[in-house]
Amino acid sequence: DIQMTQSPSTLSASVGDRVSITCRASQSINSWLAWYQQKPGKAPKLLIYKASTLESGVPSRFSGSGSGTEFTLTISSLQPDDFATYYCQEYNSYSYTFGQGTKVDIK
Amino acid sequence: EVRLVESGGGLVQPGGSLRLSCAVSGFTFRSYSMHWVRQVPGKGLEYVSGISSSGDSTNYANSVEGRFSISRDNSKNTLYLQMASLRTEDTAVYYCATDASEYSYGFFNNWGQGALVTVSS
Repeated sequence: DIQMTQSPSTLSASVGDRVSITCRASQSINSWLAWYQQKPGKAPKLLIYKASTLESGVPSRFSGSGSGTEFTLTISSLQPDDFATYYCQEYNSYSYTFGQGTKVDIK
Repeated sequence: EVRLVESGGGLVQPGGSLRLSCAVSGFTFRSYSMHWVRQVPGKGLEYVSGISSSGDSTNYANSVEGRFSISRDNSKNTLYLQMASLRTEDTAVYYCATDASEYSYGFFNNWGQGALVTVSS
């Protein structure tokens, strides 16, 4: 199975900061990568798919990049609503493996 | 508005069985693959199982293969997950989710609120 590794596990930041989260795949997944945001007690929300395509309705401060084995989710200017846990997920294989998550909290 | 509502969660003893349902509305259910994803409280997301739009193709995580069975009733817009031989490590919130594409790409754009399954004696 493909392994997905996110870093860091926790990220402390302030409103207005530019933050980046990295996701690495154990083998090439081309651009078959999605990013989700999850808040406590809520279901995940799709942010980005195909590594860099923004889901409809998602603010443009979110962006994704990368291909092959290394990917990045960037929030250009962190807003109060963005404090949450973020997950990457590969869909190159039928395992649909998620990363372990990155919690973005208030510095 | 797309709405997914899971039901059937609860407390079950190890070795027991449980069936989860996911009722879907506001969506062309019969045209999309459907999936189950679970999350141990306080932990990350784990893909569990998926089923094609017609129901003739399924896949399972290694951790549930042979114990869980996914199915759907397109006449009722409902997805199911039959869970058997449950283990304590199956304790989790179970989410149903829609595939984001009619081509079954395997990423998920609509999610239910989750159903808690607790396996404990």
